[in-house]
Amino acid sequence: GAVVSQHPSRVICKSGTSVKIECRSLDFQATTMFWYRQFPKQSLMLMATSNEGSKATYEQGVEKDKFLINHASLTLSTLTVTSAHPEDSSFYICSAREGAISEAFFGQGTRLTVV
Amino acid sequence: GENVEQHPSTLSVQEGDSAVIKCTYSDSASNYFPWYKQELGKRPQLIIDIRSNVGEKKDQRIAVTLNKTAKHFSLHITETQPEDSAVYFCAASLATTSSALEPAPSMNSGYSTLTFGKGTMLLVSP
Repeated sequence: GAVVSQHPSRVICKSGTSVKIECRSLDFQATTMFWYRQFPKQSLMLMATSNEGSKATYEQGVEKDKFLINHASLTLSTLTVTSAHPEDSSFYICSAREGAISEAFFGQGTRLTVV
Repeated sequence: GENVEQHPSTLSVQEGDSAVIKCTYSDSASNYFPWYKQELGKRPQLIIDIRSNVGEKKDQRIAVTLNKTAKHFSLHITETQPEDSAVYFCAASLATTSSALEPAPSMNSGYSTLTFGKGTMLLVSP
């Protein structure tokens, strides 16, 4: 299947700093990318959906000024956690799909720890 | 927006038994329903999917059924094996395209969503 690469896989940052997570589709053009947050033994909570070239659509309760999403090209989307706090510590995972009714491929996820 | 309910949250079966996981969705416009398997510490992987123009799809020991009228779909795993143990997620996708009959992904098919259920932890005991 297609490959989605997410980087970094783990990051530890100090409270108040910002962290950028990258999600790249390596062998296809991702017209849509999704960002999820996953707590231990819990489901994938959709944070936002981004279509290339347009603003991301955030789910209710997700602060758009805190979780900045940029989908500048058909192969790259970034999630920036601004002014991170310990409660932002979580597993963040992206997925990308080429068409509207097609398989979504997941990145390997990023374990963020804010200390 | 779309809401996907998934049951049960945990399921324990003996090796060789069948396992069934059920999901319901709220938006009748949803037209694509994938199932993902996530093993511990790994990314979710698609195991089977179904589009709204069919009622059932089978791939070896795995099958999915879809009831559009009732807005529910189910995953069936037969002859379960210990390596089937994982968390399974159903999802519903809504797209702006007018047809679910496209044979191939559309590059410029507009806006789409992908909403997941809360997952089912399946444990298959030897």
